[in-house]
Amino acid sequence: AQKITQTQPGMFVQEKEAVTLDCTYDTSDQSYGLFWYKQPSSGEMIFLIYQGSYDEQNATEGRYSLNFQKARKSANLVISASQLGDSAMYFCAMREGDTGNQFYFGTGTSLTVIP
Amino acid sequence: KAGVTQTPRYLIKTRGQQVTLSCSPISGHRSVSWYQQTPGQGLQFLFEYFSETQRNKGNFPGRFSGRQFSNSRSEMNVSTLELGDSALYLCASSYGTISYNEQFFGPGTRLTVL
Repeated sequence: AQKITQTQPGMFVQEKEAVTLDCTYDTSDQSYGLFWYKQPSSGEMIFLIYQGSYDEQNATEGRYSLNFQKARKSANLVISASQLGDSAMYFCAMREGDTGNQFYFGTGTSLTVIP
Repeated sequence: KAGVTQTPRYLIKTRGQQVTLSCSPISGHRSVSWYQQTPGQGLQFLFEYFSETQRNKGNFPGRFSGRQFSNSRSEMNVSTLELGDSALYLCASSYGTISYNEQFFGPGTRLTVL
């Protein structure tokens, strides 16, 4: 089974609108971390936001927030007030356990912001 | 604090050759991971090193190998290059390998095999 599933290959959003990028994960560990990365056309992966499995509140970083629903095993990224510079690939990732496990990445969602 | 650096940034090789890519992690980071990214296969995990020991390995043939030095710098080597090895190779460093240790990526090395 896939560890990370991103079901939206491509998304479009109007500038200044909010958008939600979906991510579901599969793990039997109690301790895990969830991450979102942005990859512009330049290629570099940029860390956006982190959510720990024991965190009771949803993580927020500026215009980025993570909608964490533990029972549903979902960790959706919400981008508020979209900007043209938000056009990029977005990857959801997870690292399980207390130590020594690799990162698992989803297949990514391509976001295009329309002026 | 300087970010993750990768050298070279671009590389062109021919089939059958071998190549070595280098990655210098963020100062203080002891974990280095390598990924291959292609349009068709997405982001594929190659291996992860922590304190000079390979901790995890992805599903790649033995032609792909790596190592980590005592200063946490890492190299990956691909021998007997094939056309399908053309890809963006990304290196990422993290402080450790615990679930809350985020990875920070370098700019990547774009390898073209002719």
